[in-house]
Amino acid sequence: DAGVTQSPTHLIKTRGQQVTLRCSPKSGHDTVSWYQQALGQGPQFIFQYYEEEERQRGNFPDRFSGHQFPNYSSELNVNALLLGDSALYLCASSLPRGTYEQYFGPGTRLTVT
Amino acid sequence: ILNVEQSPQSLHVQEGDSTNFTCSFPSSNFYALHWYRWETAKSPEALFVMTLNGDEKKKGRISATLNTKEGYSYLYIKGSQPEDSATYLCAFIGALNRDDKIIFGKGTRLHILP
Repeated sequence: DAGVTQSPTHLIKTRGQQVTLRCSPKSGHDTVSWYQQALGQGPQFIFQYYEEEERQRGNFPDRFSGHQFPNYSSELNVNALLLGDSALYLCASSLPRGTYEQYFGPGTRLTVT
Repeated sequence: ILNVEQSPQSLHVQEGDSTNFTCSFPSSNFYALHWYRWETAKSPEALFVMTLNGDEKKKGRISATLNTKEGYSYLYIKGSQPEDSATYLCAFIGALNRDDKIIFGKGTRLHILP
């Protein structure tokens, strides 16, 4: 049973560039959430996708956008990268109902220079 | 803005000793509280999912309690072992409405000293 997978593992980008991160949920899960974890902070909720639509959103600017595909995989896009976007980006999948237990992927480490 | 606070931020415990730490969360609009263990170079993994006031859950030497009326949860580790070294995160889930989302604390980093 495949768990949550994310790609790439590491990424280095320059200020002003755009980046796309990818996530495949755990088998049987149809809800995907994205989190940003900066140094010394807990994971900050970016948004959640269910049925190919953004269902909830945290306090992140519109530069952060996402997409969910019919196979439930998801992408996180960040435009006009800032140095402050450097962080670990975690994807988690869950069922859309119940207790919303999050199953996390290994994360993508994004460095913006 | 809803806040989830965890204390202490960091903790050093001698192997074999017991320890506990706290997660404080909004006492209104509660739906569920999660505890996760995050070991270095791994993904966070769920320890407990708690939904009812007074819940007590146990997994081996680790247990957790929940008080939704006053907005806190304790995580206890009995007889700490080196493999318990990790960051422990709690996450608050509010009742479903368009403004609620999963809110994580900053975590408690536990170091077990041999």
